[in-house]
Amino acid sequence: RKEVEQDPGPFNVPEGATVAFNCTYSNSASQSFFWYRQDCRKEPKLLMSVYSSGNEDGRFTAQLNRASQYISLLIRDSKLSDSATYLCVVPSGGSQGNLIFGKGTKLSVKP
Amino acid sequence: DAGVIQSPRHEVTEMGQEVTLRCKPISGHNSLFWYRQTMMRGLELLIYFNNNVPIDDSGMPEDRFSAKMPNASFSTLKIQPSEPRDSAVYFCASSLLDEKLFFGSGTQLSVL
Repeated sequence: RKEVEQDPGPFNVPEGATVAFNCTYSNSASQSFFWYRQDCRKEPKLLMSVYSSGNEDGRFTAQLNRASQYISLLIRDSKLSDSATYLCVVPSGGSQGNLIFGKGTKLSVKP
Repeated sequence: DAGVIQSPRHEVTEMGQEVTLRCKPISGHNSLFWYRQTMMRGLELLIYFNNNVPIDDSGMPEDRFSAKMPNASFSTLKIQPSEPRDSAVYFCASSLLDEKLFFGSGTQLSVL
């Protein structure tokens, strides 16, 4: 299994739809996880951190399943402005501070 | 706060030339990271510093790449000699105590 694996998409959804992305990871010792958002030709920015079973922030919910080693990101009532690439991030089993980024899932929200 | 500042924003050079990318982290942050992003490989960590000391450089592709952090407010990533396969977006990021990463706007490098 690759260290961090994501469905590249693209996910094309209409405004208002609910969409979910999954991310699988190989390092079972990882304790904290992150979702970053990257707009086209921009830098990644932290969207959410996931330290326990899950985290919710408005329309965004991140869930963690340690047994199956995957995390998910759920976006409810999607907006046009949600169009971006969503990167799953997992700490490496190596040195502290070494975060492994997934290649990202591209989301396109259409009117 | 100005955020993480990288320069140049764009660099076009010819194969064999030396390239130097610069980064100013957020004041007070103690960790600095250099990443490279390509379509094929995504975001890859090249090297990271903690309190100006290189901690993990296992991601540096080869000896042509070198990075320095002479003080808490400045870091450079140097490629000498550059090759076309080095073309990518290079991001610098900083953090406090290995928490949330703040990225700079990146340097788009094109080696012809």
